[in-house]
Parts: sequence; structure tokens; C-alpha cells
Amino acid sequence: DTGVSQDPRHKITKRGQNVTFRCDPISEHNRLYWYRQTLGQGPEFLTYFQNEAQLEKSRLLSDRFSAERPKGSFSTLEIQRTEQGDSAMYLCASSPQRGGPADTQYFGPGTRLTVL
Amino acid sequence: AQKITQTQPGMFVQEKEAVTLDCTYDTSDQSYGLFWYKQPSSGEMIFLIYQGSYDEQNATEGRYSLNFQKARKSANLVISASQLGDSAMYFCAMRRHSGGSNYKLTFGKGTLLTVNP
Repeated sequence: DTGVSQDPRHKITKRGQNVTFRCDPISEHNRLYWYRQTLGQGPEFLTYFQNEAQLEKSRLLSDRFSAERPKGSFSTLEIQRTEQGDSAMYLCASSPQRGGPADTQYFGPGTRLTVL
Repeated sequence: AQKITQTQPGMFVQEKEAVTLDCTYDTSDQSYGLFWYKQPSSGEMIFLIYQGSYDEQNATEGRYSLNFQKARKSANLVISASQLGDSAMYFCAMRRHSGGSNYKLTFGKGTLLTVNP
């Protein structure tokens, strides 16, 4: 079984540009999560999907951020009009509903965003 | 609100020795889960071990064990027989089992473990 994959692994962009990241969860995992990790910190929750439904968005997710999971499989995270403060590692995770133990979340390798 | 505290920014251990990484948590929930993840320099978060709040036995997974003291709200990770490949950031996290937002993980700031040869 392949793990969670994310693309691209690294992204360098100029302030004001739009960027989009993709996450492919473990097959048959119906729960998908996005987290953001800044330097020296642990990951912080951004948003959560169960199948194609986005069930929660953190207050960290400003109006410039949008996430989709149109067919309940892969997900995209778009950041519009990037700012230098958006520079971070964006981590995607997936979990099976009622899996074990206690619906463990399995993470991808992350996309490191640098905004110049 | 839930909070995870990892008070050790960095730890050093000699190869083949055991090391304990500290984690304390704060929650008003009765049912919750505690997780430890390893993050090498490559960035991927690797799941290590899980402890449920109602589990009577401390969790073990190979060289990893979790010293769970519910009354003290601590969930320390013990790594036995350290290997050079154990050098990484280690994160403690928790998730509530019921109620709102019972799917998101709350992480601590992590502990950087360095294993010396």
C-alpha cells in the first residue's frame, strides 16, 4: 500500500502569486487533513475532509486559502496572493474512518513553500 | 482547549542507550488519544506509537514504549537501544475521542533528539 503523496515537494514563489498544492491520500482512506508547520513549531491544523465534504476550517485558514476534495480522493490546497508569512511546510494526512488504532493519521512528505 | 507541552527543545543520547522524551498535556476530556510522531530532516511525519486514555497497559511498539501517567497528565516516550537513525524531531500529539473537532491532532513544539556514536 502506497503512502500519502504530495506534489510539489518544494515551491518558491514571489509575493502576490497564487500557488496550488496537491495531496493524494492512502487509497480507501476517506478522511483527509491539511496542517501547516512553521519553523520550530509543531504542525497546526488547517482543515479536514470526510470524503468530499469539508467539515472544518481552522481560523488559520484565511480567505486567501481554499481547499477542495472534489471526488473524495485527492485534495488541493490553493493560496491566493501569497504573503511572506505563508512560508511554511504544508502537510497532508489521511486516515481511515474507524481504522485503528484510534484512526491514526498518516502524513505525506509535505510541500515546503517559500514566498520571496 | 487541548494543549501539549514538550519542555525539552533538544536531547542528546549515546548510541545503544535508552532515552526518555517528555510530554505533558492538558485537557478536560475523559476520552482521548496520545500519539508520538518522528520527523526526520526530510520532513515526513512518521507515526510511532499510540496510547488511549482508557488503556490500562502502557503502549509498546518495538523499541518504543509510552510511559503513560494519567493522573499526572504525562505521556513520555521511551526509546530503548538508540540508533543513529533515531536522530530526528519528535512530536507528541493528542486527539479527543468525542465532541467537536474530535479528529484534529494538537501537537507540541517537539524535541530534537541527537544520537551520538
